[in-house]
Amino acid sequence: ILNVEQSPQSLHVQEGDSTNFTCSFPSSNFYALHWYRWETAKSPEALFVMTLNGDEKKKGRISATLNTKEGYSYLYIKGSQPEDSATYLCALYNTDKLIFGTGTRLQVFP
Amino acid sequence: EPEVTQTPSHQVTQMGQEVILRCVPISNHLYFYWYRQILGQKVEFLVSFYNNEISEKSEIFDDQFSVERPDGSNFTLKIRSTKLEDSAMYFCASVLGARVSNEQFFGPGTRLTVL
Repeated sequence: ILNVEQSPQSLHVQEGDSTNFTCSFPSSNFYALHWYRWETAKSPEALFVMTLNGDEKKKGRISATLNTKEGYSYLYIKGSQPEDSATYLCALYNTDKLIFGTGTRLQVFP
Repeated sequence: EPEVTQTPSHQVTQMGQEVILRCVPISNHLYFYWYRQILGQKVEFLVSFYNNEISEKSEIFDDQFSVERPDGSNFTLKIRSTKLEDSAMYFCASVLGARVSNEQFFGPGTRLTVL
């Protein structure tokens, strides 16, 4: 059974702090890794789909890196804002379905 | 911007009753999914659907579950006889095509509570 892990489980930061979280996954038979941002009562919103080892993607203050050989991806948020408060999910693509991690719940205090 | 919609947002039912959860995927998407998240656990895959048939299903998706795309727009998940352990948030998702780099677009979920 494929297992995707995320750490930390939760994170509390002050506005303006930069932060990062980790997603770990089995490195064999890798196809793609998805990052989602999920606010309560809303649809999980796709942030990045990463496919190549060494990939680095950026969307505004959020960026992500991928290491498929060692099986991890980092998500970085630069200068966190209260509106960044959400659960960040990573998911490994495997034969037509996504296998999710537990998520990292981020709370940014003003 | 096109989005996946789901109804109802919250469904409360008695154990043993049938429920139908409804989804309207993005109109030109071809692949459809149901996932669920039991409170405090990971989001887990239930079933994928393409070309009017199930392409893959998980161990959770037993004979009590069924999916249907009754017309060109709706995608439904039916639970025939609900159990307490079916209480969860159910998410529908759709994808444009089969490329591994394609995003899966999720709906906001239906919270199912079985009493």
